Amino acid sequence: AQKITQTQPGMFVQEKEAVTLDCTYDTSDQSYGLFWYKQPSSGEMIFLIYQGSYDEQNATEGRYSLNFQKARKSANLVISASQLGDSAMYFCAMREVSNYQLIWGAGTKLIIKP
Amino acid sequence: KAGVTQTPRYLIKTRGQQVTLSCSPISGHRSVSWYQQTPGQGLQFLFEYFSETQRNKGNFPGRFSGRQFSNSRSEMNVSTLELGDSALYLCASSLGTGILYEQYFGPGTRLTVT
Repeated sequence: AQKITQTQPGMFVQEKEAVTLDCTYDTSDQSYGLFWYKQPSSGEMIFLIYQGSYDEQNATEGRYSLNFQKARKSANLVISASQLGDSAMYFCAMREVSNYQLIWGAGTKLIIKP
Repeated sequence: KAGVTQTPRYLIKTRGQQVTLSCSPISGHRSVSWYQQTPGQGLQFLFEYFSETQRNKGNFPGRFSGRQFSNSRSEMNVSTLELGDSALYLCASSLGTGILYEQYFGPGTRLTVT
């Protein structure tokens, strides 16, 4: 079974609009971490935001926020006021306390239209 | 602070040869992880080293091996290369190992096996 599911293979969004990238996860661990990364066409993986399973507040980092709904096992990334430079692949990933390896979703290709 | 560096950036090898990839983590980071990224399989975890010890290993054949030195620099070796080993190999470093630590990635080594 897929541990990380990103249901949107690709998205087109108008510049300056907000965008939500979906991520659902599957784990039986009580402790885990959820991560979002951005991968531009250059290939380098850029860390965006982190949410711990015990964090009650949704994580925020600048224009990025993570909409964490634990009961639904959902960890959606919200980008406010999108910019052309946000065009990239976005990956959701999880690390469980029982297995420290980072498990990745298939990614969402986001294209920002001017 | 300098980021994660990987050498070489590009590599072309022939089937049956072996290859060694190098990764220098961010100063002060003691954990190094390696990932393989291909269009078909996505991102897959290879292994993680912390303080010169392998802490975690993904589902890859024994042809894939690694090590970490006392200065936290890491190398990954692939012996008897196969066409399917063509991929982007990403190295990531973090302060520690566990669910709380975000990983910072290098630019990757793009390996082509002919």
